[in-house]
This record gives sequence, structure tokens and C-alpha cells, in this order.
Amino acid sequence: SQQGEEDPQALSIQEGENATMNCSYKTSINNLQWYRQNSGRGLVHLILIRSNEREKHSGRLRVTLDTSKKSSSLLITASRAADTASYFCATDAYSGGGADGLTFGKGTHLIIQP
Amino acid sequence: DAGITQSPRHKVTETGTPVTLRCHQTENHRYMYWYRQDPGHGLRLIHYSYGVKDTDKGEVSDGYSVSRSKTEDFLLTLESATSSQTSVYFCAIKGSSYNEQFFGPGTRLTVL
Repeated sequence: SQQGEEDPQALSIQEGENATMNCSYKTSINNLQWYRQNSGRGLVHLILIRSNEREKHSGRLRVTLDTSKKSSSLLITASRAADTASYFCATDAYSGGGADGLTFGKGTHLIIQP
Repeated sequence: DAGITQSPRHKVTETGTPVTLRCHQTENHRYMYWYRQDPGHGLRLIHYSYGVKDTDKGEVSDGYSVSRSKTEDFLLTLESATSSQTSVYFCAIKGSSYNEQFFGPGTRLTVL
């Protein structure tokens, strides 16, 4: 079953605007990650936030995590046409030092209009 | 670029035939993963490996088997392909200690 659920499923904005997408999950996690996928390509890791962190920044990306609500948000500021892609959240529920795979949401398809 | 290649990149096969997909990595990573991606489902874990000859099942392992006889290669086999296994298959490796993953380019498999 899916751990993460992104919202909205699709988002279309004008270039230069900010894009916000949300992710909800069901169980306790070790960390939460965001990935980008351009059409027909593999996934690219964007940012990781650990369960004891509340906010993290990387360039134009800002991620927040609220473990009490089991939710995360990804903000992309000053969007560009090249940001057009699908964005997935993924949760890592394993905290014992191993790595038994991530659980992905269904993704948000972001379109940046020129 | 995490040095991950997948082969073949595209394959069309018929129901009932065996199919093997290969994932190759060049950086000696211990953990490797196979996912499938289907519309409306995101990515789902099929199998993963935590070392040579060490593998375990994921969420959607039925109908699939894996093998890892060398660190660099992780093979996914469909013993008797079915139309429900038409999908895009991604291989991934684990990066640092926090389990961020790096993905290969994918294999598009069509089972007729």
C-alpha cells in the first residue's frame, strides 16, 4: 500500500511563481525524501529531511516536516520552465542502520507555464 | 550520475516467456533495489539486495525473482511474464547512511 500521498495530483502555475506540494504519510518514519522525475527519465533525488528536523533548504527548495500530522511540504520558489516534472515524496521507515527500500507516493505533476 | 545502467532499455515480449532485466553499477554500492512504476501507483518496491547473495522481498514481489552473484550486478527475472507485468522498471542504489537513493534510467517492458 502507498505510504505517501501527494497533493495536489497536478499543478499548473506561471513561471516565476512559487509552487507548493504536500505529502501525507501513515506510519512513523526515519526520514522523508523528495524526488523529481522528468518525462521518460529516472528519478532524481532532491532533498532529504530527517524525522527530528522541521525544515530544510536547498537552493530554491524548502521542505518542511510535521511528524505530529504525518505531513511534509515541498516549496519551489521562483519557478522555471525546467522545473516542469513530476515530484514524488518517499518515506524511509527503517531506522536500524539497514535500508529495506523506500515507499513512494503517487506524485504531483507540476507544469510551469512560460 | 551514480554509475547505474540498466539493460535492455526497452523490451517487448509475449505472455509466458521468461524475461531478465539487468542492473549494473560501477561504484561498489552494497544496497540495490528494483522498483516498478505504473500510472496511478507511483513506484513500488519489488525486491532489494543488501549484499552478494543477500536479497529480500518488497511490496510487489509475486511473479518476480532476483539474483546477485556479484556486487555490481542485480538481476530481475520474470519467470513467466504476464500482461500485468507491463511496466517501467527502475533499479536504484542506496547512497549515504540516510538511504537517499539514486536511480537508473529505467527499462520499459511490454508484455503482449
